Parts: sequence; structure tokens; C-alpha cells
Amino acid sequence: QQQVKQSPQSLIVQKGGIPIINCAYENTAFDYFPWYQQFPGKGPALLIAIRPDVSEKKEGRFTISFNKSAKQFSLHIMDSQPGDSATYFCAAFRDNYGQNFVFGPGTRLSVLP
Amino acid sequence: DAGVIQSPRHEVTEMGQEVTLRCKPISGHDYLFWYRQTMMRGLELLIYFNNNVPIDDSGMPEDRFSAKMPNASFSTLKIQPSEPRDSAVYFCASTLAGSSYNEQFFGPGTRLTVL
Repeated sequence: QQQVKQSPQSLIVQKGGIPIINCAYENTAFDYFPWYQQFPGKGPALLIAIRPDVSEKKEGRFTISFNKSAKQFSLHIMDSQPGDSATYFCAAFRDNYGQNFVFGPGTRLSVLP
Repeated sequence: DAGVIQSPRHEVTEMGQEVTLRCKPISGHDYLFWYRQTMMRGLELLIYFNNNVPIDDSGMPEDRFSAKMPNASFSTLKIQPSEPRDSAVYFCASTLAGSSYNEQFFGPGTRLTVL
């Protein structure tokens, strides 16, 4: 119930393409769903996050789509650039006392020039 | 703020030796997390602290691993004795409860190699 499943494990797209990374969760008690981005040799950093009361959130070229009934959410990267090449982690958090959260296994994205 | 600070950045040691990793969280943050990252297992939460108190250490792989947080600005993760399978990148992260999306701020990591 605490797991978040993430796919694909790796993804290669051409510059300008729209990579899509999918995640699914089981526990409906989760309150928000962030995506973290990790560049080689660096720690993960928060990229964008969404709460389940909205179905979509955009920040620049990054969009989260959220399907509450299906318990799924996805990250879309519009007009992808080689600089977007990184590992992306979805996560699910509970907004209560304490830190109930889980990270997905990660997707390694390569954007070819 | 300098962000989360970890030291050393790289550590190479021999099997059986004691290894101590260090972390300084962002000032004012009340949660501190230790993670381990490998290609095979991804990002694993080892332990986390709230106000210097360990809350959940269920991710600590075995008794060879221990973590302490003697004060709000310092934490250590110790492995004794170290084994080759402990080779990984270890991250420390911190957050402030109630902040936007409880955003966790990660340090640059310590790359540990046990020969």
C-alpha cells in the first residue's frame, strides 16, 4: 500500500519530443504528489508537485496530469531539451504529522540533441 | 543558505573498516533524512529524525548501520564494519514541517566505495 510504481525505467527521446513518465499509487490517504529531478552527481531536487484536488498543473515546460479515480499521475515534458536529461522520481506524501511518504524507483531520461 | 552540507563527498575504504558520514541540515529545518542510492535498489530511505529524535529507522539494513543527531545542526551515519555491498551514494536531506509540499532539500551526497 505504501508503494509507488513508476514506468518506464528508462526513456530516450529526441530534442523537442514529449517524454511521459507514469506513476501509480495504492494508498488513497496520500495528500500530494511531487516529482523530483536528479542530475548526475547531484542530489534530487523538487521539480513540481500537485494535490489531488486538481487534475493538471503546469510549470513552464513541465506538466503533471493527475487521475484520482485511477490513482495515477504522470509527468509530461514539453519541447524536451538535452538539459532535461536526468533521473525523475515521482513520490507520494501524506500531509499529516510526521513524514509518511514514498518515492518511486526513478526514470532515467535521455534527450538526444 | 548554503543548503544541506555533506562530508566527505567521496570515501574509499576497505572492508571491515568503520565509515562515518556527516550531514549539516539547513538551519531551521526540523526533519532530517538519510537515504542510500544504488542502481539496483534506487533511492532507499534509511532513517529520519524529527527535532533530533529518530522517528523511523526501519530502513536501516542491519545493525552495522547506526545514525545519530546530537543537535539540530549535525547528524552522522556510521557503518561498522563496512562491507563491499555498502558501496552506494548516501544522501542527507532536510525539510521544515508544514513547508510547501514538505519539500525535501537534498545534499550533494557521499559516494562510498568499500573495497
